[in-house]
Amino acid sequence: ETGVTQSPTHLIKTRGQQVTLRCSSQSGHNTVSWYQQALGQGPQFIFQYYREEENGRGNFPPRFSGLQFPNYSSELNVNALELDDSALYLCASSLEGHTYEQYFGPGTRLTVT
Amino acid sequence: GIQVEQSPPDLILQEGANSTLRCNFSDSVNNLQWFHQNPWGQLINLFYIPSGTKQNGRLSATTVATERYSLLYISSSQTTDSGVYFCAVVISNFGNEKLTFGTGTRLTIIP
Repeated sequence: ETGVTQSPTHLIKTRGQQVTLRCSSQSGHNTVSWYQQALGQGPQFIFQYYREEENGRGNFPPRFSGLQFPNYSSELNVNALELDDSALYLCASSLEGHTYEQYFGPGTRLTVT
Repeated sequence: GIQVEQSPPDLILQEGANSTLRCNFSDSVNNLQWFHQNPWGQLINLFYIPSGTKQNGRLSATTVATERYSLLYISSSQTTDSGVYFCAVVISNFGNEKLTFGTGTRLTIIP
């Protein structure tokens, strides 16, 4: 069984640029959630995808958007990057019918300069 | 929204010691999970425990949902137990099972 994977591991971008982060869910899982973790804080919910549709969103602006593909993998896109977007971005997957237990990937550390 | 508070915020212990971490939440929840975040940022599932008591090796957890708290017990601490421990709760909203994380407890185990 393959766990949750994310790419890239690290990324450095300049303010105003756009970035795409990728996540492959654990085998058999069809729900993907994205979280942002700033330094020294707990993860904050960005949004969740289920069956390729957004299924809930946290308090993040529209420049944070996402996609889920038929194989349940997912992308997080952030436009017009700001310095405060520097954070660890975590993806979590869960299984329909057991959606309460979420399993996390290793994260992508984004630095915006 | 729901508030999730963890205590203590920091804990420094000698190897071999026991510890109790607490998680208080302000509203009824559908689920509660405990995670260990290692120094590389990976969140590792420890327990899925909406209620009751579970044990896994040196770790155990108890959730008393009616009193809105959960406890994580670590016995015979090892240096590899160091890291940040988070509890996270779920309030199901039209199928959107988002996790709301607590403030975290940073545990440092000294050899």
